[in-house]
Amino acid sequence: EIVMTQSPATLSVSPGERVTLSCRASQRVSSNLAWYQQRPGQAPSLLIYGASTRATGVPVRFSGSGSGTEFTLTISSLQSEDFAVYYCQQYNNWPPRYTFGQGTKLEIK
Amino acid sequence: EVQLVQSGAEVKEPGESLKISCEGSGYMFSTYWIAWVRQMPGERLEWMGIIYPGDSDTRYSPSFEGQVTISADKSINTAYLQWSGLKASDTAMYFCARQKTTGAYRGDSFDIWGQGTMVTVSS
Repeated sequence: EIVMTQSPATLSVSPGERVTLSCRASQRVSSNLAWYQQRPGQAPSLLIYGASTRATGVPVRFSGSGSGTEFTLTISSLQSEDFAVYYCQQYNNWPPRYTFGQGTKLEIK
Repeated sequence: EVQLVQSGAEVKEPGESLKISCEGSGYMFSTYWIAWVRQMPGERLEWMGIIYPGDSDTRYSPSFEGQVTISADKSINTAYLQWSGLKASDTAMYFCARQKTTGAYRGDSFDIWGQGTMVTVSS
């Protein structure tokens, strides 16, 4: 099983700051990597797929990069609604296997 | 509007059976894979399995195979997750989610999520 490891577990930041979240895969996953945002009490929502493509309606302040085993999600200027938990997920083609990272929680400093 | 609507919260005793549902609307339900994802309290998301409603082709995570059954009824645009004998360790939030691409299986992200169904198993 491919293990996804995110860092840091928690990040305390101020609104307006730029933040970078990291995700590492235990094996190469090419660009089969997605990022999700989960606000408290809500379902996850897709932010980035294919490692760097923003999903429909996602603000341009969110960007993704990386390939292989190292990936990052950058939020250029944090807004109040961005304080949430962020998960990375790898998806390979066959056999179907999807694994998520343990999440990074963005909290207000 | 494209959406997945899940059935309501459940409280069950150990050993009981349960079937929760996920109804799709606003798109051609039978042509998109539907996944089930577990989230235990304070834990990461875990993929359980995926089904293609068009022909009920189903694939399970090795961690969940034999523990749950995933099914679908394309005539009513609904996917299901069921247990035949619940355990306390099944207490969790369960989400259904649509895979972004249609048709023949190809790994992809999940672009539409249900609101979640909380399952509590306690004596």
